[in-house]
Amino acid sequence: EAEVAQSPRYKITEKSQAVAFWCDPISGHATLYWYRQILGQGPELLVQFQDESVVDDSQLPKDRFSAERLKGVDSTLKIQPAELGDSAMYLCASSLRQNEKLFFGSGTQLSVL
Amino acid sequence: SQQGEEDPQALSIQEGENATMNCSYKTSINNLQWYRQNSGRGLVHLILIRSNEREKHSGRLRVTLDTSKKSSSLLITASRAADTASYFCATDYQFYFGTGTSLTVIP
Repeated sequence: EAEVAQSPRYKITEKSQAVAFWCDPISGHATLYWYRQILGQGPELLVQFQDESVVDDSQLPKDRFSAERLKGVDSTLKIQPAELGDSAMYLCASSLRQNEKLFFGSGTQLSVL
Repeated sequence: SQQGEEDPQALSIQEGENATMNCSYKTSINNLQWYRQNSGRGLVHLILIRSNEREKHSGRLRVTLDTSKKSSSLLITASRAADTASYFCATDYQFYFGTGTSLTVIP
C-alpha cells in the first residue's frame, strides 16, 4: 500500500540553527498538509497546499517557518532559526482531493537543544 | 481554532469492555472523520461519516453523527489491548484536530 514518506525520522538541532523536513505524498494526491504536534496535544495545522498553491497558512509562524511545494508533488518545511519551543513532532499528510480522508506519514521528531 | 474537540480526554477500561468517545465541532460539514494515533507515530484514518449519514459501522467500530447537535461518537466494541492509542476526530473543514481521547485498554 502506498505511503506518505517523511524524512528525517529524527532531527536534533541547536537553537538558532536552520532545519528542514521533507515530505513525499502518495502519488496523485493533490492536497498536502503539514502539522505540528506537541507531546500530549493534538496535531496543529501549519499549512495546507492544493497542488503547488497554499490554501491555508494562517497558523504558520511566518517569521521563522516557510513551506513550499514547487512542482505540486513533494514538499519541504523549513524553520530558521529554530527555537526551543519548536521541539515537537512534525507530521505530513496528503489526500486525493480536499475534504477526503488524510493519509499521514510517520513524522519527524524534532528536538531543539 | 479547533474544529473538533474530543471527550473524555482520557479513558481507561478493561479488555473486552466497550469504549465510547465523543466529538463536538463548530461548523457545517460535508463529512467527519475519526483517526487513531499510536504513541510516536502518525495518525491512521479509521472511518468517515458523511453529513447525510446518522450511523456507520466498520468491524468493531460504530460511529454516529448528529448534525443538529454538531456532535459525533465513536464506539469501539469488545476492546483489545492493541486498541490502546489516542483517538481524534476532524471535520473536512480545514482538518483541524482536537486534543484527542487517550484510550488505555488494560489486559
